[in-house]
Amino acid sequence: DGGITQSPKYLFRKEGQNVTLSCEQNLNHDAMYWYRQDPGQGLRLIYYSQIVNDFQKGDIAEGYSVSREKKESFPLTVTSAQKNPTAFYLCASQENTEAFFGQGTRLTVV
Amino acid sequence: GENVEQHPSTLSVQEGDSAVIKCTYSDSASNYFPWYKQELGKRPQLIIDIRSNVGEKKDQRIAVTLNKTAKHFSLHITETQPEDSAVYFCAASIGRDNYGQNFVFGPGTRLSVLP
Repeated sequence: DGGITQSPKYLFRKEGQNVTLSCEQNLNHDAMYWYRQDPGQGLRLIYYSQIVNDFQKGDIAEGYSVSREKKESFPLTVTSAQKNPTAFYLCASQENTEAFFGQGTRLTVV
Repeated sequence: GENVEQHPSTLSVQEGDSAVIKCTYSDSASNYFPWYKQELGKRPQLIIDIRSNVGEKKDQRIAVTLNKTAKHFSLHITETQPEDSAVYFCAASIGRDNYGQNFVFGPGTRLSVLP
C-alpha cells in the first residue's frame, strides 16, 4: 500500500523533553515537508527537503530540527527550545505540484 | 513574502445549496493554486487546482475561479451534500531560493452542510 505514514498518531511528552516525530513515504518522492496545524492558522511550513541530505528552514523553524538521510524518511525533532510545541503536525511528500499528506501526529506537551 | 487570506472561516449551508470560499494572495509571482479538503480526523487531500494561465476549472460539482489582476481565487461547490462537510484550505505556490515550489496555505474554512 503506497503512501506516507506518520507515527505515532498521538504523543504526550513532558515539558523540556525533546521528541521525534516519524515520517516515512514509499512514493519515491524527492520532496518532503513538515507543517504545523493550529486552529485558525492553517498549515505553516516548518522545514522542507527537496533531496536527500539537504533541507531548508520554512517559516516557523525555530525550536525544530530535521534530518534527511534517506529518501523515504524525514523525521522531525521538536526540541525543548520550541516555546509552544503542543500542536498537530503534518508531514507531506510532493510530486510536481501535488502534496500527499500523512495522517498527522498530535503532540501534547504537559 | 506571500500571504494568503481565506474567508469565511466557517460556513454553514443547507444540503443542496451552493457554497463559495474565497482566497486572496499577495505575491503576483504565484502561479499555481490548489485546494485541499480535510475531513474530520483525516489527512488533507487535493480536490482541485488551477494554474495562472486559466480563469476557471470545473470538476463535477466543484469549480475554481481565478482573477489574477485582483489576486483572488474562489472555490465553488454546487448541490452540496453532507459528505462535503470538512475544512477546506486554499494555497498559493511560491518559489523558495531555487529550491522548487512550495505552498503558503490559507487558514482554512470549516464547511458544514446541514441536512
